[in-house]
Amino acid sequence: DIVVTQSTDSLAVSLGERATINCKSSQSVLHISANKNALAWYQHKAGQPPRLLFYWASSREVGVPDRFSSSGSGTDFTLTITSLQAEDVATYYCFQYYSIPWTFGPGTKVEIK
Amino acid sequence: ELELVESGGGLVQPGGSLRLSCAASGFGFSNYWMHWVRQVPGKGLQWVSRIRGDGVATDYADSVKGRFTISRDNINNMVYLQMNSLRVEDTAIYYCVRLLNADYWGQGTLVTVSS
Repeated sequence: DIVVTQSTDSLAVSLGERATINCKSSQSVLHISANKNALAWYQHKAGQPPRLLFYWASSREVGVPDRFSSSGSGTDFTLTITSLQAEDVATYYCFQYYSIPWTFGPGTKVEIK
Repeated sequence: ELELVESGGGLVQPGGSLRLSCAASGFGFSNYWMHWVRQVPGKGLQWVSRIRGDGVATDYADSVKGRFTISRDNINNMVYLQMNSLRVEDTAIYYCVRLLNADYWGQGTLVTVSS
């Protein structure tokens, strides 16, 4: 099974500052033939279902603000919030769908400093 | 309007069974893989199972394989998760999800396994 890890359990960032979340998979999630990484990012706020932010590592879901960006390939990925807003307080999960069983990272809780 | 509505959660003793249902509406249901994802309260997300649009292909997380069975009814636009031999660690909010492909989640149903 592919194990997905995230570099930190929690992160406290000042409003307007940058938040960076790192994600690592235990093996590459790159589909070589399609040249696409089977990696997604979800935002999860308390009391709500999770919200997809990015899929194929860097394709932005409709409606996601452009202060969110995603990059990476192979085994290492990064989600960046360039200017943190109060409504961005949530837990962020990376998620690999390269091979069954699909697996989520443990989550990174983003809070306001 | 697209909707996924889960039901069937509740309190069950260890070793017991429960069947979750998910009613789908507002989209071409039989064209989509459907998934169950769970969240242990206060902890992370775990992908549980998926079923192909025709109902023939299914997959499971290792932790539920052999105990849970996913199925669907494309006439009535329903997805089911039959959960047997339930364990305390199966306690979670269970979400019915149209994952990734025009991603959409239900509101979830709480399953509590406790004596």
